[in-house]
Amino acid sequence: AQSVTQLDSQVPVFEEAPVELRCNYSSSVSVYLFWYVQYPNQGLQLLLKYLSGSTLVESINGFEAEFNKSQTSFHLRKPSVHISDTAEYFCAVVSGGSYIPTFGRGTSLIVHP
Amino acid sequence: NAGVTQTPKFRILKIGQSMTLQCTQDMNHNYMYWYRQDPGMGLKLIYYSVGAGITDKGEVPNGYNVSRSTTEDFPLRLELAAPSQTSVYFCASSQTGSTEAFFGQGTRLTVV
Repeated sequence: AQSVTQLDSQVPVFEEAPVELRCNYSSSVSVYLFWYVQYPNQGLQLLLKYLSGSTLVESINGFEAEFNKSQTSFHLRKPSVHISDTAEYFCAVVSGGSYIPTFGRGTSLIVHP
Repeated sequence: NAGVTQTPKFRILKIGQSMTLQCTQDMNHNYMYWYRQDPGMGLKLIYYSVGAGITDKGEVPNGYNVSRSTTEDFPLRLELAAPSQTSVYFCASSQTGSTEAFFGQGTRLTVV
């Protein structure tokens, strides 16, 4: 069985500060990992993904995440956040055997001016 | 591109009523999913489908039913609505299970 743990339900941060949103997963087989973002009253949209290859993946708006197999983690980072990054962030895992995404509980990123 | 379209966006139901949440995708995706989102609980899988004519239960299927007669459509049926079904419902699709999922805008359902 696969599962995802997002360790922080809410992360407040000041604008231009760095941020890390934590995600740990459990799975006994190979995995595909995703981060999705949800803005208020909208559906989820893909932020970045790890399928294979380089363990460091980046998004077009400055976020990055690193796949760490030994620690079963896929933490999301951004060196300098903007007010517009305020949103809910979901980590998701798909195991090679199930092909069904399992989502974490989400982390609310709140960026203060 | 329309992507994944859900209707309605909002609905208020009385206890015991029934309704169908509609979901259509125009990307020719094989996989489709229904999730419910409750505050602080993330997304819980209700039902999923890996192709037309094939559906299966997810984590929280009780009180719901689905069908998949075409690749494009994946409606979710609520029978005998209960207050515990008050939630935001999301439909999603993906080409395969290992590719990204595309989400609809959601249906906010209140059962009173």
